[in-house]
Amino acid sequence: EDKVVQSPLSLVVHEGDTVTLNCSYEVTNFRSLLWYKQEKKAPTFLFMLTSSGIEKKSGRLSSILDKKELFSILNITATQTGDSAVYLCAVNYGGSQGNLIFGKGTKLSVKP
Amino acid sequence: GAVVSQHPSWVICKSGTSVKIECRSLDFQATTMFWYRQFPKQSLMLMATSNEGSKATYEQGVEKDKFLINHASLTLSTLTVTSAHPEDSSFYICSASGNQPGYEQYFGPGTRLTVT
Repeated sequence: EDKVVQSPLSLVVHEGDTVTLNCSYEVTNFRSLLWYKQEKKAPTFLFMLTSSGIEKKSGRLSSILDKKELFSILNITATQTGDSAVYLCAVNYGGSQGNLIFGKGTKLSVKP
Repeated sequence: GAVVSQHPSWVICKSGTSVKIECRSLDFQATTMFWYRQFPKQSLMLMATSNEGSKATYEQGVEKDKFLINHASLTLSTLTVTSAHPEDSSFYICSASGNQPGYEQYFGPGTRLTVT
Protein backbone atom coordinates (compact mmCIF):
# COMPACT_ATOMS: atom_id res chain seq x y z
CA GLU A 1 0.00 0.00 0.00
CA ASP A 2 1.33 3.42 -0.95
CA LYS A 3 2.00 5.67 1.99
CA VAL A 4 3.63 8.91 3.02
CA VAL A 5 4.73 9.35 6.62
CA GLN A 6 5.70 12.65 8.16
CA SER A 7 7.46 13.28 11.43
CA PRO A 8 7.18 14.77 13.89
CA LEU A 9 3.41 15.27 13.88
CA SER A 10 3.82 18.47 15.85
CA LEU A 11 6.66 20.68 16.90
CA VAL A 12 6.95 23.76 19.09
CA VAL A 13 10.00 25.99 18.77
CA HIS A 14 11.02 29.56 19.55
CA GLU A 15 11.70 32.28 17.07
CA GLY A 16 15.17 32.01 15.63
CA ASP A 17 15.38 28.23 15.97
CA THR A 18 16.11 25.98 13.03
CA VAL A 19 13.74 23.09 12.36
CA THR A 20 13.88 19.99 10.20
CA LEU A 21 10.72 18.27 9.06
CA ASN A 22 10.84 14.73 7.76
CA CYS A 23 8.90 12.91 5.09
CA SER A 24 9.38 9.26 4.15
CA TYR A 25 7.46 7.44 1.49
CA GLU A 26 6.70 4.07 -0.01
CA VAL A 27 5.10 4.68 -3.35
CA THR A 28 5.07 2.80 -6.60
CA ASN A 29 5.76 4.77 -9.75
CA PHE A 30 7.25 7.73 -7.91
CA ARG A 31 7.24 10.86 -10.02
CA SER A 32 7.89 13.75 -7.65
CA LEU A 33 7.64 14.87 -4.04
CA LEU A 34 6.01 18.12 -3.09
CA TRP A 35 5.97 20.24 0.05
CA TYR A 36 3.05 22.48 0.92
CA LYS A 37 2.38 24.96 3.71
CA GLN A 38 -1.17 25.05 5.03
CA GLU A 39 -2.36 27.82 7.28
CA LYS A 40 -6.06 28.44 7.63
CA LYS A 41 -7.08 27.57 4.14
CA ALA A 42 -5.79 25.53 1.26
CA PRO A 43 -2.18 24.46 0.92
CA THR A 44 0.28 26.74 -0.78
CA PHE A 45 3.03 25.24 -2.83
CA LEU A 46 6.59 25.36 -1.52
CA PHE A 47 8.80 22.93 -3.45
CA MET A 48 8.69 20.13 -5.93
CA LEU A 49 11.56 17.64 -5.90
CA THR A 50 12.26 15.08 -8.55
CA SER A 51 15.98 14.36 -8.33
CA SER A 52 18.08 13.13 -5.44
CA GLY A 53 20.66 15.32 -3.81
CA ILE A 54 19.67 18.61 -5.39
CA GLU A 55 18.72 21.13 -2.75
CA LYS A 56 15.88 23.48 -3.51
CA LYS A 57 16.00 26.76 -1.65
CA SER A 58 13.63 29.65 -1.14
CA GLY A 59 14.64 32.21 1.42
CA ARG A 60 14.88 30.52 4.80
CA LEU A 61 13.34 27.31 3.51
CA SER A 62 15.19 24.52 1.80
CA SER A 63 14.44 20.94 0.90
CA ILE A 64 16.23 17.92 -0.43
CA LEU A 65 15.21 14.49 -1.65
CA ASP A 66 16.90 11.11 -1.24
CA LYS A 67 15.36 8.66 -3.68
CA LYS A 68 17.55 5.81 -2.53
CA GLU A 69 16.45 6.05 1.10
CA LEU A 70 12.96 7.27 0.12
CA PHE A 71 12.76 10.41 2.18
CA SER A 72 12.86 14.16 2.04
CA ILE A 73 13.52 16.88 4.58
CA LEU A 74 12.29 20.42 4.80
CA ASN A 75 14.52 22.84 6.70
CA ILE A 76 13.46 26.19 8.04
CA THR A 77 16.18 28.41 9.47
CA ALA A 78 15.74 31.43 11.73
CA THR A 79 12.07 30.58 12.25
CA GLN A 80 9.50 33.33 12.63
CA THR A 81 5.99 33.27 14.10
CA GLY A 82 4.67 33.53 10.54
CA ASP A 83 6.12 30.11 9.84
CA SER A 84 3.55 28.57 12.15
CA ALA A 85 1.46 26.27 9.97
CA VAL A 86 0.92 22.66 9.01
CA TYR A 87 3.51 21.49 6.53
CA LEU A 88 2.29 18.80 4.19
CA CYS A 89 4.40 16.41 2.18
CA ALA A 90 2.84 14.78 -0.86
CA VAL A 91 4.09 12.31 -3.42
CA ASN A 92 2.98 12.26 -7.01
CA TYR A 93 2.75 8.61 -7.89
CA GLY A 94 2.53 9.00 -11.58
CA GLY A 95 0.08 7.73 -14.05
CA SER A 96 -1.51 10.01 -16.56
CA GLN A 97 -3.36 11.93 -13.90
CA GLY A 98 -0.53 12.70 -11.54
CA ASN A 99 -2.33 11.76 -8.36
CA LEU A 100 -0.98 12.91 -5.01
CA ILE A 101 -0.89 10.99 -1.78
CA PHE A 102 -0.46 13.19 1.27
CA GLY A 103 1.19 12.65 4.60
CA LYS A 104 -0.65 13.69 7.76
CA GLY A 105 1.40 16.83 8.08
CA THR A 106 3.64 18.38 10.71
CA LYS A 107 2.10 21.12 12.77
CA LEU A 108 4.77 23.71 13.50
CA SER A 109 4.21 26.32 16.19
CA VAL A 110 6.77 29.08 16.50
CA LYS A 111 6.63 30.97 19.80
CA PRO A 112 7.84 34.56 20.04
CA GLY B 1 2.15 30.77 -10.37
CA ALA B 2 -1.08 29.28 -11.57
CA VAL B 3 -4.25 30.46 -9.85
CA VAL B 4 -7.21 28.31 -8.91
CA SER B 5 -10.39 29.75 -7.47
CA GLN B 6 -13.26 28.12 -5.63
CA HIS B 7 -16.77 29.34 -5.05
CA PRO B 8 -18.33 29.66 -2.59
CA SER B 9 -15.67 29.95 0.11
CA TRP B 10 -18.19 28.86 2.71
CA VAL B 11 -21.76 27.62 2.65
CA ILE B 12 -24.33 26.60 5.22
CA CYS B 13 -27.20 24.42 4.06
CA LYS B 14 -29.99 22.38 5.55
CA SER B 15 -29.97 18.63 5.68
CA GLY B 16 -31.42 17.09 2.54
CA THR B 17 -30.53 19.91 0.19
CA SER B 18 -27.84 19.87 -2.50
CA VAL B 19 -24.84 22.15 -2.72
CA LYS B 20 -22.67 22.91 -5.74
CA ILE B 21 -19.05 23.97 -5.42
CA GLU B 22 -17.18 25.43 -8.38
CA CYS B 23 -13.47 25.16 -9.07
CA ARG B 24 -11.87 27.27 -11.77
CA SER B 25 -8.37 27.51 -13.14
CA LEU B 26 -7.97 31.19 -13.92
CA ASP B 27 -4.83 31.43 -16.00
CA PHE B 28 -4.15 27.97 -17.34
CA GLN B 29 -5.98 25.05 -18.84
CA ALA B 30 -6.50 22.29 -16.32
CA THR B 31 -6.53 18.93 -18.03
CA THR B 32 -7.10 17.28 -14.68
CA MET B 33 -8.86 18.50 -11.56
CA PHE B 34 -8.85 16.85 -8.18
CA TRP B 35 -11.29 17.10 -5.29
CA TYR B 36 -10.11 16.62 -1.74
CA ARG B 37 -11.82 16.57 1.59
CA GLN B 38 -10.17 17.58 4.81
CA PHE B 39 -11.44 16.89 8.29
CA PRO B 40 -10.27 18.99 11.25
CA LYS B 41 -6.65 18.32 12.16
CA GLN B 42 -6.31 15.73 9.40
CA SER B 43 -4.62 15.66 6.06
CA LEU B 44 -6.20 15.93 2.67
CA MET B 45 -8.00 12.88 1.39
CA LEU B 46 -8.45 12.54 -2.35
CA MET B 47 -12.10 12.04 -3.25
CA ALA B 48 -12.00 11.94 -7.02
CA THR B 49 -10.06 12.85 -10.10
CA SER B 50 -11.66 14.29 -13.19
CA ASN B 51 -10.45 14.89 -16.69
CA GLU B 52 -12.16 17.36 -18.95
CA GLY B 53 -14.97 15.77 -20.89
CA SER B 54 -14.88 12.39 -19.19
CA LYS B 55 -16.34 10.76 -16.12
CA ALA B 56 -14.62 11.27 -12.81
CA THR B 57 -12.64 8.51 -11.15
CA TYR B 58 -13.67 8.11 -7.54
CA GLU B 59 -11.50 6.84 -4.72
CA GLN B 60 -12.57 3.79 -2.83
CA GLY B 61 -15.27 4.57 -0.30
CA VAL B 62 -16.47 7.77 -1.98
CA GLU B 63 -20.08 7.58 -3.15
CA LYS B 64 -20.24 8.79 -6.72
CA ASP B 65 -24.00 9.28 -6.58
CA LYS B 66 -23.61 11.53 -3.57
CA PHE B 67 -20.65 13.55 -4.75
CA LEU B 68 -21.35 14.43 -8.37
CA ILE B 69 -18.40 15.78 -10.28
CA ASN B 70 -18.58 17.49 -13.64
CA HIS B 71 -15.54 18.70 -15.56
CA ALA B 72 -17.23 20.40 -18.46
CA SER B 73 -14.35 22.55 -19.65
CA LEU B 74 -10.61 22.93 -19.27
CA THR B 75 -11.12 25.67 -16.71
CA LEU B 76 -14.12 24.53 -14.69
CA SER B 77 -15.02 21.57 -12.52
CA THR B 78 -17.96 21.34 -10.15
CA LEU B 79 -18.65 19.17 -7.14
CA THR B 80 -22.27 18.75 -6.12
CA VAL B 81 -22.99 17.29 -2.71
CA THR B 82 -26.45 15.79 -3.10
CA SER B 83 -28.91 15.31 -0.25
CA ALA B 84 -26.37 16.69 2.19
CA HIS B 85 -26.23 15.41 5.76
CA PRO B 86 -24.39 16.81 8.79
CA GLU B 87 -21.64 14.22 8.37
CA ASP B 88 -20.86 15.80 4.98
CA SER B 89 -19.78 18.95 6.78
CA SER B 90 -16.14 19.41 5.93
CA PHE B 91 -13.57 21.48 4.13
CA TYR B 92 -13.54 20.70 0.41
CA ILE B 93 -10.52 21.67 -1.65
CA CYS B 94 -10.00 21.37 -5.36
CA SER B 95 -6.75 21.39 -7.23
CA ALA B 96 -5.87 21.56 -10.88
CA SER B 97 -2.98 20.46 -12.99
CA GLY B 98 -2.18 21.18 -16.58
CA ASN B 99 0.85 19.94 -18.37
CA GLN B 100 3.38 21.20 -15.85
CA PRO B 101 6.43 18.99 -15.33
CA GLY B 102 5.83 16.49 -12.58
CA TYR B 103 2.11 17.12 -12.75
CA GLU B 104 2.31 19.84 -10.12
CA GLN B 105 -1.07 20.60 -8.63
CA TYR B 106 -2.32 24.06 -7.73
CA PHE B 107 -4.88 24.30 -4.98
CA GLY B 108 -7.95 26.42 -4.67
CA PRO B 109 -8.70 28.25 -1.41
CA GLY B 110 -11.21 25.65 -0.27
CA THR B 111 -14.90 25.64 0.59
CA ARG B 112 -16.15 25.18 4.14
CA LEU B 113 -19.46 23.28 4.03
CA THR B 114 -21.67 23.14 7.11
CA VAL B 115 -24.83 21.07 6.97
CA THR B 116 -27.34 21.78 9.72
